Amino acid sequence: NAGVTQTPKFQVLKTGQSMTLQCAQDMNHEYMSWYRQDPGMGLRLIHYSVGAGITDQGEVPNGYNVSRSTTEDFPLRLLSAAPSQTSVYFCASSYSRSSGANVLTFGAGSRLTVL
Amino acid sequence: GQQLNQSPQSMFIQEGEDVSMNCTSSSIFNTWLWYKQDPGEGPVLLIALYKAGELTSNGRLTAQFGITRKDSFLNISASIPSDVGIYFCAGGGSSNTGKLIFGQGTTLQVKP
Repeated sequence: NAGVTQTPKFQVLKTGQSMTLQCAQDMNHEYMSWYRQDPGMGLRLIHYSVGAGITDQGEVPNGYNVSRSTTEDFPLRLLSAAPSQTSVYFCASSYSRSSGANVLTFGAGSRLTVL
Repeated sequence: GQQLNQSPQSMFIQEGEDVSMNCTSSSIFNTWLWYKQDPGEGPVLLIALYKAGELTSNGRLTAQFGITRKDSFLNISASIPSDVGIYFCAGGGSSNTGKLIFGQGTTLQVKP
């Protein structure tokens, strides 16, 4: 049982390049989300999904796209990378059962540097 | 938007000491959670709290959901070197969609 798997662990991009951060979970969780972590700011929600085909914006969605074609996968796309997107990105998932939906399981993170 | 104020920002303590950290908010939360993050890893759940006034323990860790639903604290008793890391509080709203608001984190260092 792998839990939440993120790839790649590290990535360096040049300004303007695009890329996709992959996230997969094998726990049959309905809810999935992406957070970014910056020093001194905790984790901030980028996008989230409550099921296949359903996504919505979080607190800091600009510059990122998501889609959810299957229950297992929730990729995060950067269309035109900017230095302000240098961060550590975490994917998380949870069940949709009442307040249990707020109990997130996190992946190990993807560290992105944009030059 | 909603914000959580977590304090202290950092702590440097001697092994064996007790530790206390807390989070406050101007908003009400339905769920309070405490996570620990080791270097290079994702946050791992320590304790989840679901009811106002709830007091829950997990080994040497104890956390409480404030009566007003706007605050929570985490205590660690008899600290050990492996307690080193960043501790985050997080609040979940009544919508129960897995959207959490996180505190800024408390960095704990333990001197053997």
